[in-house]
Amino acid sequence: RKEVEQDPGPFNVPEGATVAFNCTYSNSASQSFFWYRQDCRKEPKLLMSVYSSGNEDGRFTAQLNRASQYISLLIRDSKLSDSATYLCVVNRYSGAGSYQLTFGKGTKLSVIP
Amino acid sequence: DGGITQSPKYLFRKEGQNVTLSCEQNLNHDAMYWYRQDPGQGLRLIYYSQIVNDFQKGDIAEGYSVSREKKESFPLTVTSAQKNPTAFYLCASSIRGGQTQETQYFGPGTRLLVL
Repeated sequence: RKEVEQDPGPFNVPEGATVAFNCTYSNSASQSFFWYRQDCRKEPKLLMSVYSSGNEDGRFTAQLNRASQYISLLIRDSKLSDSATYLCVVNRYSGAGSYQLTFGKGTKLSVIP
Repeated sequence: DGGITQSPKYLFRKEGQNVTLSCEQNLNHDAMYWYRQDPGQGLRLIYYSQIVNDFQKGDIAEGYSVSREKKESFPLTVTSAQKNPTAFYLCASSIRGGQTQETQYFGPGTRLLVL
């Protein structure tokens, strides 16, 4: 099983649709989870952290299922500006009390007028 | 404006040449990181530094070198030993580094192409 696995897509959805992405991770000891957004040929930007209880930020909702080791991102009322690649990011222990991040390959979303 | 800057935006390397990518941050962050991104791939960690004058190898350090002489600066040298250097190079920083719930912030990246 890959460390962080995502469906690469693309997900082509009409404006106003609801779309959900899932991500699975292999390291059960992972403690921190994030969704980053990356526009074409740009740097990744933090979209939201994912907390155990789930969290919401406007049209975006993130959920964590530790038992099944997956993270989800739900986008409601999709906008054209949501078109991007969404990266699932999970932390991992790298030794000497330090943690690093492992990035998924990303899921591409295209919102169509 | 606080942030992370990387230069140049595009860099061309000839065979056998060493090139250095610049990364500067004015966020007062202790930790800095270098990642490489290839098309359709996830980011892979090259080197990271949690404090001045100290740095650690990441997952793909071979063919790369770094220095951390100042808190604000973390340059990456792509040496001639790196046989496949064409990629998008991203520098990031975080407040302390290595903590469990810590966010990393990225610079705009440098695209390196081999002539």
